[in-house]
Amino acid sequence: DAGVTQSPTHLIKTRGQQVTLRCSPISGHKSVSWYQQVLGQGPQFIFQYYEKEERGRGNFPDRFSARQFPNYSSELNVNALLLGDSALYLCASSLDRTGNTGELFFGEGSRLTVL
Amino acid sequence: KQEVTQIPAALSVPEGENLVLNCSFTDSAIYNLQWFRQDPGKGLTSLLLIQSSQREQTSGRLNASLDKSSGRSTLYIAASQPGDSATYLCAVLGQAGTALIFGKGTTLSVSS
Repeated sequence: DAGVTQSPTHLIKTRGQQVTLRCSPISGHKSVSWYQQVLGQGPQFIFQYYEKEERGRGNFPDRFSARQFPNYSSELNVNALLLGDSALYLCASSLDRTGNTGELFFGEGSRLTVL
Repeated sequence: KQEVTQIPAALSVPEGENLVLNCSFTDSAIYNLQWFRQDPGKGLTSLLLIQSSQREQTSGRLNASLDKSSGRSTLYIAASQPGDSATYLCAVLGQAGTALIFGKGTTLSVSS
């Protein structure tokens, strides 16, 4: 079975632009979460979606938004990019929010560079 | 507010050594704790998951323990190999099951 897939793997944007990152969860997983990891730090929680509804939001500005589609794939959008948005954006999927083991499985990430 | 701390930040050992990585968290009301491995520029690979009701989990040369009351977990790596070189991240999931809170990681280098 395919794991969590993310696209694009690398991208370069300039300040003020907008970016859309995509994630496909493991087949059968209904929950998708997004994390931002800047160099030298642990990942920081951005959003969690379950059954197409936002179930959690981290401490990120409104420039960050996301959605989940009926097939459980997800998009993360970031508007008005700042230099500080340069990071590895990680998507994780899980079977459901809680219940079962709550184990999260991560993709390889999308490396965003803002110039 | 949950905080996760990992000690040491970096560790260098010769091949064959047994080693322990430490993780501490401030709020014991957790759903589970996961240990991940991250190679440079790559995503996270799940190593071990310990539910809040469990004390330890083992996978091959890896053993992770959890002491929820003291807010501590350890990852034990037996007979280390150069291929174990990576950053190891500890993360706790709160009981709401929403967000994983990560430590900054321990970067391990195993020399042959």
